[in-house]
Amino acid sequence: SQTIHQWPATLVQPVGSPLSLECTVEGTSNPNLYWYRQAAGRGLQLLFYSIGIGQISSEVPQNLSASRPQDRQFILSSKKLLLSDSGFYLCAWSVQGSNTGELFFGEGSRLTVL
Amino acid sequence: AQSVTQLGSHVSVSEGALVLLRCNYSSSVPPYLFWYVQYPNQGLQLLLKYTSAATLVKGINGFEAEFKKSETSFHLTKPSAHMSDAAEYFCAVRFYGNNRLAFGKGNQVVVIP
Repeated sequence: SQTIHQWPATLVQPVGSPLSLECTVEGTSNPNLYWYRQAAGRGLQLLFYSIGIGQISSEVPQNLSASRPQDRQFILSSKKLLLSDSGFYLCAWSVQGSNTGELFFGEGSRLTVL
Repeated sequence: AQSVTQLGSHVSVSEGALVLLRCNYSSSVPPYLFWYVQYPNQGLQLLLKYTSAATLVKGINGFEAEFKKSETSFHLTKPSAHMSDAAEYFCAVRFYGNNRLAFGKGNQVVVIP
């Protein structure tokens, strides 16, 4: 069966520090991968979307970036965090070429920027 | 523009009462429809999905939803709320011609003892 894992689960970082959140999917090949953010009182915001290694689409301009160095690994990064980067980050995957587009979510990573 | 509407960010329901969460979408072509649930500090979990089979869809934890094409709706119901139903619920839609899900803003459900 397929599983998805994110880490770290919780992170407290000072403003201006770097960020790296990692997501790994197991039990499937060539998945579509996604990074979402939930800020307090707001819905789900799609940040990045990837259909393959090295292929990243950015949905919103910000100081975050994403990389996909391996087929089932998706990394969210920042060189310098802002207060507004605080939130709950969710990684998700879907089957490549799926008709329904159903998403499968990881456990989430809570980032607090102080 | 394609959109997903969930009204009422916070919904309070008494334990044992009906849970009704409304979802409407803007499209003339029937899409694929989903309801997800999110418990505090956890990821989203699929409750149920409509993929052009039966219009009344049954999901986990006693929830069900009915697809009504004429009303462009996919409302979620549960006959009797339980304390464990306290969570945030998201409606999601895959519109025809779009390969990504569009999410509603979510409903935070509070169950009152």
